[in-house]
Amino acid sequence: EVQLVQSGAEVKKPGESLKISCKGSGYSFTSYWIGWVRQMPGKGLEWMGIIYPGDSDTRYSPSFQGQVTISADKSISTAYLQWSSLKASDTAMYYCAKHRDSGSYYRAFDIWGQGTMVTVSS
Amino acid sequence: EIVLTQSPGTLSLSPGERATLSCRASQSVSSSYLAWYQQKPGQAPRLLIYGASSRATGIPDRFSGSGSGTDFTLTISRLEPEDFAVYYCQQYGSSPPRTFGQGTKLEIK
Repeated sequence: EVQLVQSGAEVKKPGESLKISCKGSGYSFTSYWIGWVRQMPGKGLEWMGIIYPGDSDTRYSPSFQGQVTISADKSISTAYLQWSSLKASDTAMYYCAKHRDSGSYYRAFDIWGQGTMVTVSS
Repeated sequence: EIVLTQSPGTLSLSPGERATLSCRASQSVSSSYLAWYQQKPGQAPRLLIYGASSRATGIPDRFSGSGSGTDFTLTISRLEPEDFAVYYCQQYGSSPPRTFGQGTKLEIK
């Protein structure tokens, strides 16, 4: 079974750093783009960026460029989303999701992780 | 950046009725790279339609997608109780960002 399993909920203070993870299984992790999507409380979906684990090619939404870092460790089939200095406005659910076809840049997300809730509060 | 506008914001219908959801793009979506997702409360989104009209694996045939260019439609032919949810369109044919619409909430009348 193809799965993406994300790390658990986090509660952090403003200014702290954070790295959340998304582990893929049941498919060739290095061959499919993986993306991150933000959903703020009660709001819609926002596309943050994608990474190709095979060569770590990464593309960001201009809205998130410089605010987060997307990375992947293909040796353990895991993608990451990290912040160096969290803000209260980073409070949201974060989903990882993989592209539907291997190697293809222009594809929809067919498999989603269960989401990681990040709460940033002093 | 391509902006996707979904309408209506909320759609109130009864089980058994037909639902028609609209997604309009601010510029043409390349190669009909348009997807529809369903999201229920407390759950991750689920892919329903890709390529504007192709059903994803395991999606019932009461769900259908159509359209091209800037105008796209998701139709649910006969609503089942489990279909009441929020629906999002997404374009993935351009350089980032691969934008989502703001969502349509389908609620029970």
